[in-house]
Amino acid sequence: EAEVAQSPRYKITEKSQAVAFWCDPISGHATLYWYRQILGQGPELLVQFQDESVVDDSQLPKDRFSAERLKGVDSTLKIQPAELGDSAMYLCASSLPGGGFMNTEAFFGQGTRLTVV
Amino acid sequence: SQQGEEDPQALSIQEGENATMNCSYKTSINNLQWYRQNSGRGLVHLILIRSNEREKHSGRLRVTLDTSKKSSSLLITASRAADTASYFCAYKYIFGTGTRLKVLA
Repeated sequence: EAEVAQSPRYKITEKSQAVAFWCDPISGHATLYWYRQILGQGPELLVQFQDESVVDDSQLPKDRFSAERLKGVDSTLKIQPAELGDSAMYLCASSLPGGGFMNTEAFFGQGTRLTVV
Repeated sequence: SQQGEEDPQALSIQEGENATMNCSYKTSINNLQWYRQNSGRGLVHLILIRSNEREKHSGRLRVTLDTSKKSSSLLITASRAADTASYFCAYKYIFGTGTRLKVLA
């Protein structure tokens, strides 16, 4: 069964260091989302891509976070420098073109749990 | 914040009982979706209800939608220990705060 792949599953990094997460969506899914989920809360959208273009990054802290999806397939989310408050689960999701939350379901990866020490 | 709110925040029931969780949202919607998240894992889509639908069923799940009250409910009937998880409503790209359900065997 096709699934969204994320790596690494767990990451521990020191404050002020750089960290990167990778996501490979389901083949053919043009829409890709990055979410951050703080323990005990619901996921919050960081950035949405349609193919290689950013559709919505209004909630992305752009002073330290960046995201790219250069060829419209896999995507990388980077944090530099990491802060203690960035400790969270980072989830990637994908959906079919014209789908996503407007019309159909999104498929989520298992997430990367980041701990900043 | 446009984040939806769910209640209760936590729910503990015995196996075989029904579980009901509610979601309130803040904007107009095309559809509303419910997702399940097992501890420390990704989210799994459960059901989607469109704005012109009042009720939808999927197996042991029943979802209602009241657009006039901007609210939805998820009912899980005859709950099982495997239903223990967090449940989130989602509309547009926004997730609710979640209900943590614990089903005791």
